[in-house]
Amino acid sequence: KAGVTQTPRYLIKTRGQQVTLSCSPISGHRSVSWYQQTPGQGLQFLFEYFSETQRNKGNFPGRFSGRQFSNSRSEMNVSTLELGDSALYLCASSFTRRHEQFFGPGTRLTVL
Amino acid sequence: AQKITQTQPGMFVQEKEAVTLDCTYDTSDPSYGLFWYKQPSSGEMIFLIYQGSYDQQNATEGRYSLNFQKARKSANLVISASQLGDSAMYFCAMRDQGGGTSYGKLTFGQGTILTVHP
Repeated sequence: KAGVTQTPRYLIKTRGQQVTLSCSPISGHRSVSWYQQTPGQGLQFLFEYFSETQRNKGNFPGRFSGRQFSNSRSEMNVSTLELGDSALYLCASSFTRRHEQFFGPGTRLTVL
Repeated sequence: AQKITQTQPGMFVQEKEAVTLDCTYDTSDPSYGLFWYKQPSSGEMIFLIYQGSYDQQNATEGRYSLNFQKARKSANLVISASQLGDSAMYFCAMRDQGGGTSYGKLTFGQGTILTVHP
């Protein structure tokens, strides 16, 4: 069974631009969560989707948004990029909201 | 609110020895889950082991075991017979399992870097 895939793996953007990251969960998994990892703040929860509905949201500004499609694939969007948005963005999927989460390889975003 | 504390920024262990990575937590949720993940330098988070708050026995998965002491709010990871490939960052995490505000969301500790020496 294929694992969680994330595209792109690496991304370089400039301040003010916007970016869309994609996540394909493990087949059969319906819950997708997103996390931001930085050296200073560690791993922080962004949001969680289940059955195309956002179920939980972390403490991030409205520039961070996401969605989930009927096939459980998910995208997150960051608008008006800031230097501080440079991070590893990790997507995780789980069979249900109660099961363990399996992570993808991440998208490393650099904002110049 | 949930909180995870990992007090060991770095740990060193000799190959084939056992090592314990500490994790303490705080939560008001009566039902919760505790997780350990491994993150090699490649960046991908690898799920290792899970312990539910109502589980009577400590979880084990191969060389990994979780020393769960509910009264002390600790969930230490024990790695037996360390291997060079165990060198990585290790994260303890927790999640509400009872449908509360933290349901579905993992809260992570700051991590412990484990280095295995030959």
